[in-house]
Amino acid sequence: AQSVTQPDIHITVSEGASLELRCNYSYGATPYLFWYVQSPGQGLQLLLKYFSGDTLVQGIKGFEAEFKRSQSSFNLRKPSVHWSDAAEYFCAVGAAGSNYQLIWGAGTKLIIKP
Amino acid sequence: EPEVTQTPSHQVTQMGQEVILRCVPISNHLYFYWYRQILGQKVEFLVSFYNNEISEKSEIFDDQFSVERPDGSNFTLKIRSTKLEDSAMYFCASRDNTGDTQYFGPGTRLTVL
Repeated sequence: AQSVTQPDIHITVSEGASLELRCNYSYGATPYLFWYVQSPGQGLQLLLKYFSGDTLVQGIKGFEAEFKRSQSSFNLRKPSVHWSDAAEYFCAVGAAGSNYQLIWGAGTKLIIKP
Repeated sequence: EPEVTQTPSHQVTQMGQEVILRCVPISNHLYFYWYRQILGQKVEFLVSFYNNEISEKSEIFDDQFSVERPDGSNFTLKIRSTKLEDSAMYFCASRDNTGDTQYFGPGTRLTVL
């Protein structure tokens, strides 16, 4: 069955520290992978996506993610977090054959320590 | 920048009542979606809509749910007889016919009492 796992429910990092949010997927076909961010009271904003090509993708707000097929992972990284990055981050997988229906991870809440 | 909008932002209703959640997708988009997120749980796909018909729906999307594009701009989700377990945040999304990215609205928080 198709699934997305985000093993960390909460992550706390200090402002200026580096960040890595984990995402593992289970999908039979070639996945289309997304990271979305949800700030309090806001909708879901696309950070970045991977469809094919270079396995390291750059997104908005200084985020990047690396697709590793051998590990079925698509981890999100940022070299130096800012207080404004505090939000919930969702990994999702989709495929064109399914009308791009998205299957979501449970989300990781990022807390920034001053 | 164009965006998806949703109204109302918060709806409170009594169990058994009908609710209609409204979405205005991005104007040149042709594919529309509804998702929901029960508090503390994952975002779940409900339904996708294209060319004035449902293209795909999940097990959650039973006979109590319906979607409609009543005019050229709105896309609605109707729940005929709400249950307590329908309490959730409902997200609308839209996508154009060339892209692969869904753009989401801010959500409607539905509370069923």
